[in-house]
Parts: sequence; C-alpha cells; structure tokens
Amino acid sequence: DAKTTQPNSMESNEEEPVHLPCNHSTISGTDYIHWYRQLPSQGPEYVIHGLTSNVNNRMASLAIAEDRKSSTLILHRATLRDAAVYYCILRDPGGSQGNLIFGKGTKLSVKP
Amino acid sequence: ETGVTQSPTHLIKTRGQQVTLRCSSQSGHNTVSWYQQALGQGPQFIFQYYREEENGRGNFPPRFSGLQFPNYSSELNVNALELDDSALYLCASSLGVAGGEQYFGPGTRLTVT
Repeated sequence: DAKTTQPNSMESNEEEPVHLPCNHSTISGTDYIHWYRQLPSQGPEYVIHGLTSNVNNRMASLAIAEDRKSSTLILHRATLRDAAVYYCILRDPGGSQGNLIFGKGTKLSVKP
Repeated sequence: ETGVTQSPTHLIKTRGQQVTLRCSSQSGHNTVSWYQQALGQGPQFIFQYYREEENGRGNFPPRFSGLQFPNYSSELNVNALELDDSALYLCASSLGVAGGEQYFGPGTRLTVT
C-alpha cells in the first residue's frame, strides 16, 4: 500500500485558514486520497476525499496537486472544535479489503 | 439514523483473562472493521467482516477473533490478554468492503493489568 507523509503537528489561530499538507509520492492511479480526523476522546470521522480534482464540502476543501504526489486539506476558518489529529489515507476502491491504513497524522492545535 | 455504538465504554481486565467487545453498526451497513489504537498512535487494522465472513486481517495473532451476526453487529474477542493489549478498540461500519466511507464508534478503552 502506498504511504503518506504528514507533519507531526501544526498550530493555527481561531478563525484563520489552515492548510494541512500530505505527501504521497508513490500514489497509484487508482488510489483515492481520503482525510479523516479524530477529535479528543472520539473515534475518527470522515472529512473529505478526492481522486484528481479539487473537492469541497461543508467541512473542508481538498486541493490535489496536478501530479497527485501531494495534497492539502484546507479548513477555511479554524474553530476550537477543529483541534484534532488529521489523517491522510490512500484507498483503492477496487481493492479486496476495505481497511484504512492510518499513519500518525498531524495534530492540529487551534489557539483562541 | 442510528450511528455506530460500542460497549462497554471502559473495561479493566487482568493479564491472561479473556474479553469480548461489542459493536452495533450503522443502519444499512453490512461491513464492520475493527481497529486497535495504542496511546499516541494511529489506529491499526485488526480485521474486517463482510456479510458474516472475515474479509481480511491485519498483523494480529489468532487470539484476536471476531464474529459478525445476521443483523451485522459484531464482536471482538481477545483471549489470553497481555499488558500490550491495553488500547482503545474502535469499530467502524461501512456499506461494502472497499472505497466507502467508514463510520467509527467512540471506542472501548481496555486496560490490562
């Protein structure tokens, strides 16, 4: 399975945009880029996913590099509730198993 | 729509004992995956059940076993508990085995003393 690389931690101020980077230089053509986040004392929750084009939903935006070797999760206005560990995960929907392969993720701290 | 629930919330066991953890999947979901999360680490895949059959397993010994029932709820059983089994155990449900969004429960915190 292709791996991802993320910074261990990042800090942001409340109400400012946050850009969380992810490198995935060995991504295959069929891998989708998924982001999950885990709030303190909770299970992970889905944030967003994409293949080639940039994606937007109510939670965040996902910007994917043209060569697909990196991507950036964008939180447009960070709130205190966005403080969490963010995981960037590659998934092949044609694979026989549906397990998620988590790394250590990026711990985002949000300052008031 | 009911989300994923897990029981119990917390559990303390002694080394060598056996434990059963339970998970109720989200309505309409036929796939359940179990993960172990040690402190400060990302979740690690244990195994997945699809329509009552095991559909993949991570690098965990056979003393970790599971079941999925006709209503798609699931159990994780761990025999001969070791101190290193202390962790948060997460269950996630999804529709289908690959590619779909997984919905996680809040987890069961297991402490082995």
